[in-house]
Amino acid sequence: EADIYQTPRYLVIGTGKKITLECSQTMGHDKMYWYQQDPGMELHLIHYSYGVNSTEKGDLSSESTVSRIRTEHFPLTLESARPSHTSQYLCASSSHLAAANYGYTFGSGTRLTVV
Amino acid sequence: RKEVEQDPGPFNVPEGATVAFNCTYSNSASQSFFWYRQDCRKEPKLLMSVYSSGNEDGRFTAQLNRASQYISLLIRDSKLSDSATYLCVVTSNTGNQFYFGTGTSLTVIP
Repeated sequence: EADIYQTPRYLVIGTGKKITLECSQTMGHDKMYWYQQDPGMELHLIHYSYGVNSTEKGDLSSESTVSRIRTEHFPLTLESARPSHTSQYLCASSSHLAAANYGYTFGSGTRLTVV
Repeated sequence: RKEVEQDPGPFNVPEGATVAFNCTYSNSASQSFFWYRQDCRKEPKLLMSVYSSGNEDGRFTAQLNRASQYISLLIRDSKLSDSATYLCVVTSNTGNQFYFGTGTSLTVIP
């Protein structure tokens, strides 16, 4: 049973549209992350947060933004979608206290297609 | 230099075979180590943590060699259901950042 939820599961959208990918977790984890992964390729960290009102950019240059107003919620927004944004977006969370033993928990992902 | 290096494979092995994956990491102060499994078009899922003393979970054995900065995963008696991509994960010295390898693809053949 998933404790971290991503919506929508699939999204097809036109170029130039603004979209928000939702991620929520019920585990009370302080740390949350967004990764981008193309099929058969490696994960790329695009944003992360260590707690409320804390957000940082990851290794992959991204035209997206994130917010962390509540512990459980970490939405990702693309202001103007482009075909190059077509990818799978994975949200993850971890607990500062438990990360050493339990690592990350991932959501099921959002598969985004921009046409 | 990448934080984590893995042989991408693919590894194609017959059912019942034993297969081993290795992974090297660059930061000698890395705090924690994991193996994740990712099925096609699914999210990664934690397979097992890796401890300095080595640890075993059924057919899976993980080893950590801090001196040589590599971790390994051994799968004995391979099953068809073991077919997946296996990701090596290493944390930063603070444990705050997780670094994922590119993954090693395994296909177990009947």
